[in-house]
Amino acid sequence: QKEVEQDPGPLSVPEGAIVSLNCTYSNSAFQYFMWYRQYSRKGPELLMYTYSSGNKEDGRFTAQVDKSSKYISLFIRDSQPSDSATYLCAMSYYGQNFVFGPGTRLSVLP
Amino acid sequence: DTAVSQTPKYLVTQMGNDKSIKCEQNLGHDTMYWYKQDSKKFLKIMFSYNNKELIINETVPNRFSPKSPDKAHLNLHINSLELGDSAVYFCASSLPGGSDNEQFFGPGTRLTVL
Repeated sequence: QKEVEQDPGPLSVPEGAIVSLNCTYSNSAFQYFMWYRQYSRKGPELLMYTYSSGNKEDGRFTAQVDKSSKYISLFIRDSQPSDSATYLCAMSYYGQNFVFGPGTRLSVLP
Repeated sequence: DTAVSQTPKYLVTQMGNDKSIKCEQNLGHDTMYWYKQDSKKFLKIMFSYNNKELIINETVPNRFSPKSPDKAHLNLHINSLELGDSAVYFCASSLPGGSDNEQFFGPGTRLTVL
């Protein structure tokens, strides 16, 4: 079993849809959970960062962490064509040992 | 102001050559990383340095040698390049541990080995 699993997509949705992106992981030592967005031919940029279980909201983005199920989610409300990118989940412990999921490619169609 | 910069952006070279990629960050971070992203977009950590000292060295061929002259710079030297080394290499930096656990990535260096 891979340490972090993520549906690679591609996922296509119409503009305005709610998007749900998910990752599962196997290492219960992970404490920090992140979502990165990567546009084509660019470096990943941090979208959301959460410590331990719970929810965090930032504008149209909501990150959820359920450590008991080893499951994290990113929700995008009112999706826009500019949200079209690859979304990578990442997790770490002790601020090191970052592990990334393989990414989900999202296309938001106008 | 660019936070994490890498040079060159593109690198095309022949098998067997030796090449270097440079990385600089102006964020005042203590920790820097090298990642490799393959054609399937899988981002894998290669090395991590904290204050010029190696703290993570994943299973990477010893043809890859990182060098950190100071905590703002982390360069990657690759000897005897192979076809399988073709990928995008990303440098990143972060503050170590605590609540500032964010990594900031450079724009990437696209390496093509012919």
